[in-house]
Amino acid sequence: QSVLTQPPSVSAAPGQKVIISCSGSNSNIGNNYVSWYQLLPGTAPKLLIYDNSNRPSGIPDRFSGSKSGTSATLGITGLQTGDEADYYCGAWDSNLIAVVFGGGTKLTVL
Amino acid sequence: QVQLQESGPGLVKPSQTLSLTCTVSGGSISSSSYYWSWIRQSAGEGLEWIGRFYTTGHIIYTASLKGRVTIVADMSTNQLSLRLTSVTAADTAVYYCASSVVRGPYYFDNWGQGTLVTVSS
Repeated sequence: QSVLTQPPSVSAAPGQKVIISCSGSNSNIGNNYVSWYQLLPGTAPKLLIYDNSNRPSGIPDRFSGSKSGTSATLGITGLQTGDEADYYCGAWDSNLIAVVFGGGTKLTVL
Repeated sequence: QVQLQESGPGLVKPSQTLSLTCTVSGGSISSSSYYWSWIRQSAGEGLEWIGRFYTTGHIIYTASLKGRVTIVADMSTNQLSLRLTSVTAADTAVYYCASSVVRGPYYFDNWGQGTLVTVSS
């Protein structure tokens, strides 16, 4: 059972937009920064968003992040088939003294 | 650019010890600029942070594995190792090593490709 809650799956058509949610509590998302990762089988996970809404260099602006209260979202616009992957949110948990993650969301680009 | 590569046995018997190595290039594990973590992903489960090492020798572990897990750094070879004792099938997972910059210690900007470890007799 993951500390952060994500929908198991989302889907959308190529070119469309999708939003993936991540819900937590005051001990994690509510008082700490959120990060987002893309996992593709057989490849190294990729950091997409850090500190709630910042993109590392090389990550296209199709990817965006936001946070409000104890929830965060990852938005992906202009969906491409190459975006099909599992997406995870993460945050520090001040009570658990650990980095915690969501259960992951599988994105299908129909 | 920091690069990480995990290695180790792909199969471990129940009750035995899982031992993995992470070889770091493009950065030094003795640098004060980075934290070095181990993270795993079990089949059908989400990511689980295992623990992290910092050059001062400060190491923290997730509570659920404390007592079974050890992270050790070898500065001479620039390698990070993970030991997990008394393994069970629940420890079957892809194990990743990852780095964090000091200004952002709670996100991971570089990851290895991961190594699958199966616990089975």
